[in-house]
This record gives sequence, C-alpha cells and structure tokens, in this order.
Amino acid sequence: SAVISQKPSRDICQRGTSLTIQCQVDSQVTMMFWYRQQPGQSLTLIATANQGSEATYESGFVIDKFPISRPNLTFSTLTVSNMSPEDSSIYLCSVEEFRGTEAFFGQGTRLTVV
Amino acid sequence: EDKVVQSPLSLVVHEGDTVTLNCSYEVTNFRSLLWYKQEKKAPTFLFMLTSSGIEKKSGRLSSILDKKELFSILNITATQTGDSAVYLCAASHQGGSEKLVFGKGTKLTVNP
Repeated sequence: SAVISQKPSRDICQRGTSLTIQCQVDSQVTMMFWYRQQPGQSLTLIATANQGSEATYESGFVIDKFPISRPNLTFSTLTVSNMSPEDSSIYLCSVEEFRGTEAFFGQGTRLTVV
Repeated sequence: EDKVVQSPLSLVVHEGDTVTLNCSYEVTNFRSLLWYKQEKKAPTFLFMLTSSGIEKKSGRLSSILDKKELFSILNITATQTGDSAVYLCAASHQGGSEKLVFGKGTKLTVNP
C-alpha cells in the first residue's frame, strides 16, 4: 500500500488565521481526498482533490474556506482559511491507488483553534 | 440520502471474549463496504468487501457482507487489549463520486 505522509501532525492556531496541511504519497495515486472528523463524530468528506483542476467539494464545504491544490499525482494541500474555534477537528488525507480500490489514510492533523 | 449505521456505538468486553460489530447501509449505486480501525487519528484499513457471502479473514478478525439485507458484520475472536479502538464502517459508490460514507463507529474497549 502507498505510504502517506501528512503534516503537520498537530497545530494550535489563532482565530482568523489560516493553516495549510500537506499530504505527500510515495507513489502516484489516482484519487486523493480530504476528510474532516469533528470531536466525537465520524469522518465527513470535504472534497476530492483533482490533479491539475479545481477540487470537487461536498455539500456544505466551499473553496473560499477550504482551498485545495493538487499539482501532481503524489501531492496535495488543504488550507483551512479564516479559522474559528468551530474548525477545531482532525483533518485527514486519503488516497486510492486506483479508482474503486481500498482507501488509505494519512496520519491526520489535529487542529485546535483558540 | 446515503447513510451508514453502526451498532452498538460502544462495547466493553474482557480479554478473550468474541465480539460482533454491525454495520447497515443505504447507499445509491453501492460498490463496496470497508472496515477501518481507528486508534488515535489515522484509520487503518482492515477489509474491503464487494461480494455477498464471501468471508474475509485476517488473523482473529473476519468480516462478511450481505448485499441483499444491506449489512455487514465484523467479528473479532479472542479479543486482546490491543483491539481497543473505534471501528469504522464505510460504504463506497460506483461511478461518479468515489466518496466514502462513514458510520459513527463502534468504540470497543477490551479490559484485561
């Protein structure tokens, strides 16, 4: 399976600031996704990161708040913009080597906004 | 609306017990059912099930899918304290969106 490196592992940020989370994979993968897990909740998909084009966002998530880049088949970033305490969550990068195969997750980023 | 429901939400057992975790789903254009173990932040992949009635096994863990009744179970035999975790069930679509729809998870605690 692909080895996924996600960073930072955790961060504490001031409200109103932005944080960029990086996801690096050791091999080319077809699909990359970003999930959010709020405290005590399950995982919710934010968006699918598309290589070379705009990400596909799920209902309730917008590009201005969560801009995503995917310049190639091994790397993606998620930015959490203009943060508020409600953005405190675990953010997870996920990849599928090929469409329809099992999804693997990065180590996650625990974000606390104060 | 797509949904995945897991039960029980939490479970406390003693080492050596056998547990069964349940997952039911209602997903349009269903492709597969996946199980993950989440101990801290990152969910760890356990199984992916696409065919009905075929059991998948890995050590003390096993899982099976029933596509007629729209559910899956995850069995853990001879539980150990290291099995303590949240077990997540997720359903995927085929065609179009590849997103996973997750259940809320079952929190398993195995006491010595």
